[in-house]
Amino acid sequence: DAKTTQPNSMESNEEEPVHLPCNHSTISGTDYIHWYRQLPSQGPEYVIHGLTSNVNNRMASLAIAEDRKSSTLILHRATLRDAAVYYCILRDPRMGGSEKLVFGKGTKLTVNP
Amino acid sequence: SAVISQKPSRDICQRGTSLTIQCQVDSQVTMMFWYRQQPGQSLTLIATANQGSEATYESGFVIDKFPISRPNLTFSTLTVSNMSPEDSSIYLCSVGKTGLNTEAFFGQGTRLTVV
Repeated sequence: DAKTTQPNSMESNEEEPVHLPCNHSTISGTDYIHWYRQLPSQGPEYVIHGLTSNVNNRMASLAIAEDRKSSTLILHRATLRDAAVYYCILRDPRMGGSEKLVFGKGTKLTVNP
Repeated sequence: SAVISQKPSRDICQRGTSLTIQCQVDSQVTMMFWYRQQPGQSLTLIATANQGSEATYESGFVIDKFPISRPNLTFSTLTVSNMSPEDSSIYLCSVGKTGLNTEAFFGQGTRLTVV
C-alpha cells in the first residue's frame, strides 16, 4: 500500500473550518483516497473518499490536488463532536485484498469551545 | 450500511488464558477483518476472516496465537490465546463488501486487559 503522511495533531476552534492535510507523493493512478475518523472510545467510521475530483458529502469535503500527490479533508464548521483522529488511507480497487484498510498514525484533531 | 455487534465489550483476563471475541453483523458481508489497537496507537490489521477457509494473516500474526473462525457471512470469532500483558489492546472487527471502494464498517471494539 502507498504511504501517506499526516500531521500528528491539529487544533481548531468550534464553528470554524478545519483543513486536514495528507501527503501521498507515491500514489498510483488507480489509488483512491479514503478518509476515516475515530472518535474517542469508538471504532473508526468512514468520512469520504475520492479519486481525482473534489468530493462533497454531508460530513465533509475532500479536495484533491491536481497531481494527486496531496489531499485535504475539509470540515466546514467544526463542532466539539468532530474531535477525533482522522486517517487518510490509499486503496487500489484492482489489487487483491484491497478491501482491507492499512492505517497510518493519523491526525488527532482537537476542537476548542 | 452494516451494524456490528462485538462481544464482550471489555474483559480482564489472567495471563496464560484465552479469550474468544465474537463479531456479529446484521447483514451478509463479503469481507470481515480483525484489527488490534494497542494503547495510544493506530490500528493494525491482524487478519482477514475468510468464510469456509483459513484466515489470511498479516505479517507478525500467526494462527496459533490468534485463531479465527468464520462459519458464515454474518459471524466471526477471534481468539487471543495464551495471553500475556502485551496482548492488552482493543480488538476491532471490521466488515466490508466487495466492489469499487465501498466503505468499511467497524465494531465498537473489545477492550482487553491482561493481568
